[in-house]
Amino acid sequence: KNQVEQSPQSLIILEGKNCTLQCNYTVSPFSNLRWYKQDTGRGPVSLTIMTFSENTKSNGRYTATLDADTKQSSLHITASQLSDSASYICVVSAIGTYKYIFGTGTRLKVLA
Amino acid sequence: SQTIHQWPATLVQPVGSPLSLECTVEGTSNPNLYWYRQAAGRGLQLLFYSIGIDQISSEVPQNLSASRPQDRQFILSSKKLLLSDSGFYLCAWSATGTNYGYTFGSGTRLTVV
Repeated sequence: KNQVEQSPQSLIILEGKNCTLQCNYTVSPFSNLRWYKQDTGRGPVSLTIMTFSENTKSNGRYTATLDADTKQSSLHITASQLSDSASYICVVSAIGTYKYIFGTGTRLKVLA
Repeated sequence: SQTIHQWPATLVQPVGSPLSLECTVEGTSNPNLYWYRQAAGRGLQLLFYSIGIDQISSEVPQNLSASRPQDRQFILSSKKLLLSDSGFYLCAWSATGTNYGYTFGSGTRLTVV
């Protein structure tokens, strides 16, 4: 069964600190993995997208990694800011499908 | 560049009233279109997806329906709203022939009272 699991479910960190969010998936055959940031009451916004051959992708202070062998991805946030407080959602797609498998997200709160 | 518009942003409707949420995409043709619902503090649930006009698939049995009257227009409807229809509704699109990820609309917060 195609599944995407994210951890931790929620996370609280102090402003300026780094953090890493995890995503494990069982989607097959794998096509690509995307990290989204969703602010409360807003639509998700794409941060990074990685295909099978990509190991890492950066977008400013956000760096995503992908290990296609172990089917794991991580999103590392460097020097966190208050505006990073949001839910981060991992989304995986399989080859030959129009549908995407969503993780339930990690809710991050950055405190001053 | 492609843009996706979704409206209204918020909506409060009484139980039993009809619903119509609209989503349009600009700057592309023949997009794949999707409707998602997100309950408070929960993940996204796929409701409908469409790979072309008159090609709409429903993912879960429910009180809602979807239509695609034009190539880049996707409408979510209900004849009679239930309390359980409350939630955050998101429209999304992806390019035809690819599954390279979604672009989401800004969402509609629906409260059924």
